Amino acid sequence: RKEVEQDPGPFNVPEGATVAFNCTYSNSASQSFFWYRQDCRKEPKLLMSVYSSGNEDGRFTAQLNRASQYISLLIRDSKLSDSATYLCVVKGPGGYQKVTFGTGTKLQVIP
Amino acid sequence: NAGVTQTPKFQVLKTGQSMTLQCAQDMNHEYMSWYRQDPGMGLRLIHYSVGAGITDQGEVPNGYNVSRSTTEDFPLRLLSAAPSQTSVYFCASAAQGGTEAFFGQGTRLTVV
Repeated sequence: RKEVEQDPGPFNVPEGATVAFNCTYSNSASQSFFWYRQDCRKEPKLLMSVYSSGNEDGRFTAQLNRASQYISLLIRDSKLSDSATYLCVVKGPGGYQKVTFGTGTKLQVIP
Repeated sequence: NAGVTQTPKFQVLKTGQSMTLQCAQDMNHEYMSWYRQDPGMGLRLIHYSVGAGITDQGEVPNGYNVSRSTTEDFPLRLLSAAPSQTSVYFCASAAQGGTEAFFGQGTRLTVV
């Protein structure tokens, strides 16, 4: 079983739609969780951290379920500019060398 | 702010050639690392460093060497390039207590 698993997509959604991505992780000792965004042929960039209580940043909502070991990202009112690959990232105890990246979920927002 | 600067952006090598990918950061981050990204595989850690003079192996270290003589620089050396090393390489840095990793723009390497 992969340490971090994501549906690769692609998710093709119309502008204005709501879309949700899920990610599961296998290491119950994982401590920190993130969503990164990667545009085509570009480097990954932090989108948001994921907190146990859930957190929101504008149109983006992230949730963490430790009991079931999954993380979700909800995007409301999708924009064309949201088209990208979204990487689920899990960090174990210790330094950044304990970070595991998912393979990413590709989102294409269609006009 | 320059952030993480990675060079070159593109490179074609012949099998058996060697080369060095350069990475520099100006954020005084303790942690630096090299990843390779292949289709369907996600980012895989090659080598990392938690400070000047300290390096360690990641998940896929074979065929690569690193050194960290300064806080700012973390070059990746390919000793004898093989077609299996065709990939996109990213350098990243982070503050050890921080929550965000900052990536360079990537190097697209093709080994023929």
